[in-house]
Amino acid sequence: KNEVEQSPQNLTAQEGEFITINCSYSVGISALHWLQQHPGGGIVSLFMLSSGKKKHGRLIATINIQEKHSSLHITASHPRDSAVYICAVRRGQNFVFGPGTRLSVLP
Amino acid sequence: KAGVTQTPRYLIKTRGQQVTLSCSPISGHRSVSWYQQTPGQGLQFLFEYFSETQRNKGNFPGRFSGRQFSNSRSEMNVSTLELGDSALYLCASSLADRNTEAFFGQGTRLTVV
Repeated sequence: KNEVEQSPQNLTAQEGEFITINCSYSVGISALHWLQQHPGGGIVSLFMLSSGKKKHGRLIATINIQEKHSSLHITASHPRDSAVYICAVRRGQNFVFGPGTRLSVLP
Repeated sequence: KAGVTQTPRYLIKTRGQQVTLSCSPISGHRSVSWYQQTPGQGLQFLFEYFSETQRNKGNFPGRFSGRQFSNSRSEMNVSTLELGDSALYLCASSLADRNTEAFFGQGTRLTVV
C-alpha cells in the first residue's frame, strides 16, 4: 500500500463543474502540499496545509489530521484547470508524493 | 522575485556518460531538494541540501550525487548514465524549516539514449 494515495486517478469534467480530488496518507506528517503540474512538467505549489482549510480564488483545500485525509476542491472549473494535481506530504525533510490525479476540463 | 531556476531545461545524453544539472533557489532560500519523476515511479525524493550540507537522501544508487554552494545554488550529478535515468528532474527550494512552503522549478528533462 502506498503511503500517499489519491482518488480519482483520472477525472473529466465539463466547464463550470465543481471538482473534488481526494488524498489519504498513512504516515505522520508535518504538512501536506497540493501541487499542480501542467504538460511540460513545471510544478506549482497550490497550498501548504497543516490544519483546517485554505482558499485561494476558486481553489479550496481542506485537511483532517485525525482522519489523515485532505481534499482539493475547484469551483466553477475551467479548461485552464486541466493538469495533474499531486498531493505531497512532508515527512521530516522529505516529500512523499501521491500518484497524481489527471484532470481534464472540457469546454 | 525570481522563481526557482533550473538549467538546462532539456538534455540528451548517451549511456555511460555523466550529467550535471543546476538549480538556483529563490533568493533567501537555504534549502534545496531534488526529485526524479518518471512515468512508472512518479515523483521520488533524491536528496535535500541545507547550508551546503546534505540533510537527507532518498533511496537512489551512489551514481546520484549532489552538492550545494555557499550561495545556496545546488547541482546534482548522475554518473554512468543508464537508460532508466531518463526522467524529469525537479528541484524545490524553501526557506529552511520543514513547515515552510516549497517552490518548484520547471525541471530538467533528461533523455538517455
